[in-house]
Amino acid sequence: NAGVTQTPKFQVLKTGQSMTLQCAQDMNHNSMYWYRQDPGMGLRLIYYSASEGTTDKGEVPNGYNVSRLNKREFSLRLESAAPSQTSVYFCASSRDGASMLGNQPQHFGDGTRLSIL
Amino acid sequence: DAKTTQPTSMDCAEGRAANLPCNHSTISGNEYVYWYRQIHSQGPQYIIHGLKNNETNEMASLIITEDRKSSTLILPHATLRDTAVYYCIVRVWEQGGKLIFGQGTELSVKP
Repeated sequence: NAGVTQTPKFQVLKTGQSMTLQCAQDMNHNSMYWYRQDPGMGLRLIYYSASEGTTDKGEVPNGYNVSRLNKREFSLRLESAAPSQTSVYFCASSRDGASMLGNQPQHFGDGTRLSIL
Repeated sequence: DAKTTQPTSMDCAEGRAANLPCNHSTISGNEYVYWYRQIHSQGPQYIIHGLKNNETNEMASLIITEDRKSSTLILPHATLRDTAVYYCIVRVWEQGGKLIFGQGTELSVKP
């Protein structure tokens, strides 16, 4: 049971570099999410996708872009990395679709630890 | 902002029940209460959720008060592996049904 798979697990970037964080789920879920977690804090939503072909901003979208490539994959891109984006990034998925019933749990990957120098 | 308040930390003896309280006095009638835990820096692990009825699964029980303003997560026989940060979350309807994580309760299970 792979669940939600994130790659890479660790990455170090220099300020101004770009990179894409990959996320894939094998549970046939409709919704996918990207969160970030900073030291001593809970997770904050960056972007989400309620269904294939749709994406929307969360609480902290500045500096990021996303692509819902297909139902399985949801990628997060940093176009010009900044030290403030040093964080642990978590991808999650849920069976909830556009109806947003809210009664299906989100399942998380193990995260990508990103450091920007 | 998180719609929940939890104690910062709790201790529990191994083998005993761990009862983790949560207040969510501003919860709306159609918002679910979710519990997750996070061990070290792993991804949050789903535990249980409920709307207004008590719920039980293989991991835990969730007791929600009749007025829905508070709830308690019960781990019936805590083990050392249950040491983690436990998050009580009210899942809101906006932004795709996002989870708003607060500070959580750091549960230490001691031998």
